[in-house]
Amino acid sequence: AQSVTQLGSHVSVSEGALVLLRCNYSSSVPPYLFWYVQYPNQGLQLLLKYTTGATLVKGINGFEAEFKKSETSFHLTKPSAHMSDAAEYFCAVRFQGAQKLVFGQGTRLTINP
Amino acid sequence: EAQVTQNPRYLITVTGKKLTVTCSQNMNHEYMSWYRQDPGLGLRQIYYSMNVEVTDKGDVPEGYKVSRKEKRNFPLILESPSPNQTSLYFCASSTRSRNVSIEQFFGPGTRLTVL
Repeated sequence: AQSVTQLGSHVSVSEGALVLLRCNYSSSVPPYLFWYVQYPNQGLQLLLKYTTGATLVKGINGFEAEFKKSETSFHLTKPSAHMSDAAEYFCAVRFQGAQKLVFGQGTRLTINP
Repeated sequence: EAQVTQNPRYLITVTGKKLTVTCSQNMNHEYMSWYRQDPGLGLRQIYYSMNVEVTDKGDVPEGYKVSRKEKRNFPLILESPSPNQTSLYFCASSTRSRNVSIEQFFGPGTRLTVL
């Protein structure tokens, strides 16, 4: 079955440290890939997406993600964490031929002062 | 402002009392969808609609109904709510490219509690 896995339901980093949130998907055919962020009591906001072309994708708020076909991964990074980055992050995948988005379980990011 | 709106934002009800959660988008999007969010499970799709009068089941459609009579509106109906439908619900919409939904825009969510 097609699935999306986010490693780590909780990630905690210090302010100014590197943020790395992991996402892997199960498919041999490159899908469309998305990262969404959810702040407390709000809906989901698109951070970035990969459809075709350059595999390193830059998004809002200094985040970026790299599509690695050989590893079936789309990890999200930010060089220097800010307190305002504290939120829940969801990786989502649209597999080839499908209409729906399949979401990972989510990763709650905590930033320590 | 381009947006997806949902009403109500919070709802507490009792088992068996029919309810409707409304969803409206002002972006002229063809594709609309409903999700539920539960801890540790991410978001799961309930129903989706490719266009007016075209709806289809997602992964967890049991206990829900939808309709798409107008392009902008996509209400979610719970005919006889049960406690296992207590959840956070999101409506989303998107444009389509080559008949595939691309980036989805989400509403603010509706937190439903069924007692």
